[in-house]
Amino acid sequence: DTAVSQTPKYLVTQMGNDKSIKCEQNLGHDTMYWYKQDSKKFLKIMFSYNNKELIINETVPNRFSPKSPDKAHLNLHINSLELGDSAVYFCASSQDRNEQYFGPGTRLTVT
Amino acid sequence: AQRVTQPEKLLSVFKGAPVELKCNYSYSGSPELFWYVQYSRQRLQLLLRHISRESIKGFTADLNKGETSFHLKKPFAQEEDSAMYYCALLNQAGTALIFGKGTTLSVSS
Repeated sequence: DTAVSQTPKYLVTQMGNDKSIKCEQNLGHDTMYWYKQDSKKFLKIMFSYNNKELIINETVPNRFSPKSPDKAHLNLHINSLELGDSAVYFCASSQDRNEQYFGPGTRLTVT
Repeated sequence: AQRVTQPEKLLSVFKGAPVELKCNYSYSGSPELFWYVQYSRQRLQLLLRHISRESIKGFTADLNKGETSFHLKKPFAQEEDSAMYYCALLNQAGTALIFGKGTTLSVSS
């Protein structure tokens, strides 16, 4: 069984569009995260959610908004996509300060 | 400031050679450090965390507070070890991982 899943795996879209990436975890974890991996493979935290509350937001443009319908899901909505948003986005989850489990990633290409 | 530094972007070794992937950190207090591995186009997987002191796939890492280092070592590299390795630090609040820039390990025969 997949612990952390993301859809879609690949997303190609044009500048200015609005898109969403979905993430689900079946581990019963209480915290979920979104990380961005840029073209240089540098990984940086974007958001984390604990019990449906946003607890950090690292200088991410407000075009990006996380939405958590329940504890097992943390979706990422992106408005007015820009070329610089092209990256791989990883969802992750953890229980407290323990190991973070990562999803397979969503490769976003903005043309 | 909380920071992780991996000074080597690429490390190339021959099969059977020893490997050491360097990681230095900056942190106030007792750090919680991890090594994650990412095989080609796959998800990140936890390789080690310092508090468990386990050896996974022959890799070990020791926390050296005096040198603020958490280097990853393996005595005999295998071709299947070729991957991107990230050193990561749990931030003070315990709410996110701070990653180094990663080191690509390439093992050739």
